[in-house]
Amino acid sequence: EIVLTQSPATLSLSPGERATLSCRASQHIITYLVWYQQKPGQAPRLLISDASNRATGIPARFSGSGSGTDFTLTISSLEPEDFAVYYCQQRSKWPLTFGKGTKVEIK
Amino acid sequence: EVQLLESGGGLVQPGGSLRLSCAASGFTFNNYAMTWVRQAPGKGLEWVSCIATSAGSTTYADSVKGRFTMSRDNSKNTLYLQMNNLRAEDTAVYYCAKDIGDLRWNFDVWGRGTLVTVSS
Repeated sequence: EIVLTQSPATLSLSPGERATLSCRASQHIITYLVWYQQKPGQAPRLLISDASNRATGIPARFSGSGSGTDFTLTISSLEPEDFAVYYCQQRSKWPLTFGKGTKVEIK
Repeated sequence: EVQLLESGGGLVQPGGSLRLSCAASGFTFNNYAMTWVRQAPGKGLEWVSCIATSAGSTTYADSVKGRFTMSRDNSKNTLYLQMNNLRAEDTAVYYCAKDIGDLRWNFDVWGRGTLVTVSS
């Protein structure tokens, strides 16, 4: 099974700051990497497909990059509504797997 | 409006069974693969199972293989998860989610989830 390691576990930042979240895969997954956002009590929300394609309705401040084993989700300037937990998911091989998440909290 | 609505969760004893349903609306259900993902209390996301559009192809996580069965009724726009021989570690919120296409395995619409609690 492909293990996804997300870092850091928690990111403490202020509104307006840049957030950089990492997801590292235990095997090469080309660009078959997906990012989701989840707020407390809510379902996950698709942000980025295939490493770098923003989903419909996702603001341009969210961007994804990477290929192979190393991937990054960047939020260029944090808005108050961006404080949440972010998960990566690989779709390269069965079973589909998720990372353990990065919590972006208000500093 | 594109919507998924799960139902069927509840409290069940270890070894018991439950059937979850997920009613889809606002899109052409039979054009999309679907999935179930669960989240134990205070924990991260865990993929459970996927089903292709034709319903002939399903895939399961090892943790549920042989105990859970995923199915779909395209005539009723409904997804199902039959869960047998439930264990305490199956306690979670179960989400159904829609693929962005068929066999793309990126999920762009999620239900609100239904809580399954396995306890004596």
